[in-house]
Amino acid sequence: DAGVTQSPTHLIKTRGQQVTLRCSPKSGHDTVSWYQQALGQGPQFIFQYYEEEERQRGNFPDRFSGHQFPNYSSELNVNALLLGDSALYLCASSLRQGAAGEQYFGPGTRLTVT
Amino acid sequence: AQSVTQPDIHITVSEGASLELRCNYSYGATPYLFWYVQSPGQGLQLLLKYFSGDTLVQGIKGFEAEFKRSQSSFNLRKPSVHWSDAAEYFCAVEGNDMRFGAGTRLTVKP
Repeated sequence: DAGVTQSPTHLIKTRGQQVTLRCSPKSGHDTVSWYQQALGQGPQFIFQYYEEEERQRGNFPDRFSGHQFPNYSSELNVNALLLGDSALYLCASSLRQGAAGEQYFGPGTRLTVT
Repeated sequence: AQSVTQPDIHITVSEGASLELRCNYSYGATPYLFWYVQSPGQGLQLLLKYFSGDTLVQGIKGFEAEFKRSQSSFNLRKPSVHWSDAAEYFCAVEGNDMRFGAGTRLTVKP
């Protein structure tokens, strides 16, 4: 049973560019959440997708957008990249009707903006 | 909005010694509280969680945590630390969304 997978593992982009990160949830999970983890910090909630719609959103600008596909996989898009967007981006999956907090995290995508 | 404070940025303990990692939270209602561990290059793994009931919760890898409402704390403990416990530990509270503390890095001395 595959856990949460994310691609790519590492990514280097230039300021102003756009990036797309991908996440496949754990088998059987229908909800995907995205987090940004800056160096030396805890993860910060970006948004959550369920039934292909954004259900909750943290304090992130509109440059951050997402999508969930019918197979429950998800993408995180960031436009007009800033140096401050450099971070580890974590995807977590869960079952909507499951126990609260039962999120399974992927290994993350390390984004470096130069 | 809820918030989490982990007062200790870095803790060093000797292998076999006991461990306590501190976590204080702020939330108006009864919180859902969690401890996660993150090893280098890895995602977060859930150690344990508190929703209600018994204030002492047991988790994986021999960890336990105690919820103290009067102190707004949810400290993580382990009676005997192993070298493989060296990692970053995050406390989190779920309210409107999941809020994580800044983490405590644990170093284990041989």
